Amino acid sequence: NAGVTQTPKFQVLKTGQSMTLQCAQDMNHEYMSWYRQDPGMGLRLIHYSVGAGITDQGEVPNGYNVSRSTTEDFPLRLLSAAPSQTSVYFCASTLGQGRTEAFFGQGTRLTVV
Amino acid sequence: AQSVTQLGSHVSVSEGALVLLRCNYSSSVPPYLFWYVQYPNQGLQLLLKYTTGATLVKGINGFEAEFKKSETSFHLTKPSAHMSDAAEYFCAVRSGGYQKVTFGTGTKLQVIP
Repeated sequence: NAGVTQTPKFQVLKTGQSMTLQCAQDMNHEYMSWYRQDPGMGLRLIHYSVGAGITDQGEVPNGYNVSRSTTEDFPLRLLSAAPSQTSVYFCASTLGQGRTEAFFGQGTRLTVV
Repeated sequence: AQSVTQLGSHVSVSEGALVLLRCNYSSSVPPYLFWYVQYPNQGLQLLLKYTTGATLVKGINGFEAEFKKSETSFHLTKPSAHMSDAAEYFCAVRSGGYQKVTFGTGTKLQVIP
């Protein structure tokens, strides 16, 4: 099983550029989410989706867009990159509610210069 | 609302010594609690989880945690540290059926030979 696959692993962007971080899971999980990880701040939820066609904002959604057209894919779009978006981004998927744990991708390390 | 507090951003132990990583949570409903481990340049992987039932939960690599409702704690322990335990550990909470998972800020464990 591939689990949760994120691409790319590394990316350098110039301020103002746009890009899409890809996330795909092959476990038929309903729930997918995007986090950013910054030193001393743990993981902060950017956006999440409880199923195809349904997305909602997390605690730090500004500057990011998401869509969920299929169960498998949950891309994260940076519309106009800013240095404050330099971070490590993790995608996660979960089978369902409550007691089930999240499965994480390997992360995308993004630097905005 | 839910939150997690991890006491100590860095913990150092000698090889063979007891490992104790502290986690306190806040939740308005009975929580589901998780500990994840992150090795350098990797994603998060589940160590153990508490959902219902037995309050002492055993996980992988010899780790265990005890859910103490009266203390709102879920501390992670391992009797004897190994060099391979050096990593960052995250405590997380999900409140019942509520989909979002809230992570603590993480504790980096250093194991001294």
